[in-house]
Amino acid sequence: SQKIEQNSEALNIQEGKTATLTCNYTNYSPAYLQWYRQDPGRGPVFLLLIRENEKEKRKERLKVTFDTTLKQSLFHITASQPADSATYLCALEDDRDDKIIFGKGTRLHILP
Amino acid sequence: ETGVTQSPTHLIKTRGQQVTLRCSSQSGHNTVSWYQQALGQGPQFIFQYYREEENGRGNFPPRFSGLQFPNYSSELNVNALELDDSALYLCASSLSPGTHNEQFFGPGTRLTVL
Repeated sequence: SQKIEQNSEALNIQEGKTATLTCNYTNYSPAYLQWYRQDPGRGPVFLLLIRENEKEKRKERLKVTFDTTLKQSLFHITASQPADSATYLCALEDDRDDKIIFGKGTRLHILP
Repeated sequence: ETGVTQSPTHLIKTRGQQVTLRCSSQSGHNTVSWYQQALGQGPQFIFQYYREEENGRGNFPPRFSGLQFPNYSSELNVNALELDDSALYLCASSLSPGTHNEQFFGPGTRLTVL
């Protein structure tokens, strides 16, 4: 069956360190993968999109990698801050029907 | 430029009732997608509307239906409400269909079915 898995339900990281979140998928061959941030009671906010032919993408303190062989994307936040605390969702294209499929998300806590 | 808005913010209904949720898309966007997000889960795709036509549907029963209007705003209707329909309902607008497009989400409508 097709699955998207995001590492552990919650991740605690010390302020200033790099937070690394994982998104693994099986039985998909997406052309794109997206990362969103969601704060409690709010809708998700788009952060980054990476294409299958891109190995890495950066935006300010954010970096995303996409390994189609491992079927994995890593999302990094460098020099993390308490304001980065949120749930981070990965989403990919279901290549069978061009729909977006979301993972469950990882709750990230940056500890001061 | 206004963002995506949704109404109402919260709603409480009883089993068997019907509900209509509303979404105004971001200016210039002709595509609206609806998602259901249960507590602790990621958003689940319900359906998408593009230029007033349904343009794809997820694994939701026919009692979930929608509309898109000429101004690209949209409604989600749910008939015969069940307890499991309790969730945050999100709409998202984008410049056009296609999974490569950034989606702009509204704040959601929290539906509770008793």
